[in-house]
Amino acid sequence: AQKITQTQPGMFVQEKEAVTLDCTYDTSDQSYGLFWYKQPSSGEMIFLIYQGSYDEQNATEGRYSLNFQKARKSANLVISASQLGDSAMYFCAMRVGAGGTSYGKLTFGQGTILTVHP
Amino acid sequence: SAVISQKPSRDICQRGTSLTIQCQVDSQVTMMFWYRQQPGQSLTLIATANQGSEATYESGFVIDKFPISRPNLTFSTLTVSNMSPEDSSIYLCSSRTQINTEAFFGQGTRLTVV
Repeated sequence: AQKITQTQPGMFVQEKEAVTLDCTYDTSDQSYGLFWYKQPSSGEMIFLIYQGSYDEQNATEGRYSLNFQKARKSANLVISASQLGDSAMYFCAMRVGAGGTSYGKLTFGQGTILTVHP
Repeated sequence: SAVISQKPSRDICQRGTSLTIQCQVDSQVTMMFWYRQQPGQSLTLIATANQGSEATYESGFVIDKFPISRPNLTFSTLTVSNMSPEDSSIYLCSSRTQINTEAFFGQGTRLTVV
């Protein structure tokens, strides 16, 4: 079975500083994908970044980067230059396999509430 | 990525009644997924909906409580039946269009049962 663990229920960061949100995962599959989503208070799920298990480079998307340490089974999200609009819930998620019954099916962590202070 | 239009965005319902949530995708997708997010909790998969076949439900969810329809490759509905206050949650539909891309979500339905 797959499991995602986010150990930080809440994080605080000063505006313009960087923050790291932790995520560890557990799976016996060799092929998997790791995702980070942002959920503002409106409830929508906003995709931020993706890392495939076979990707050798850490993924980056603008101010977001994913610190992928495969041996440690961790996929931490780094947000640089935090903005007030970054205040939201952040979920780490995993998809196991590349297709078939795993197509689009995600397992989510418990989430981390990020608060950005001015 | 594709866009899912989900409605209603929110509703307040009386216990014992049913609510049907609709999701319309702007492109054809093989599978659609329905998630529940209870207050302060993470997302939990309810079921996977394939076009032309019965939905596959996860442990703890049953068809009588959460019937799902998938009449074509762009549309799906989830009904929350015989509601109780414990059903108060955000319900989200999701899908993917290609392998190795992100799952995209509808805007969510915030349901309150009183």
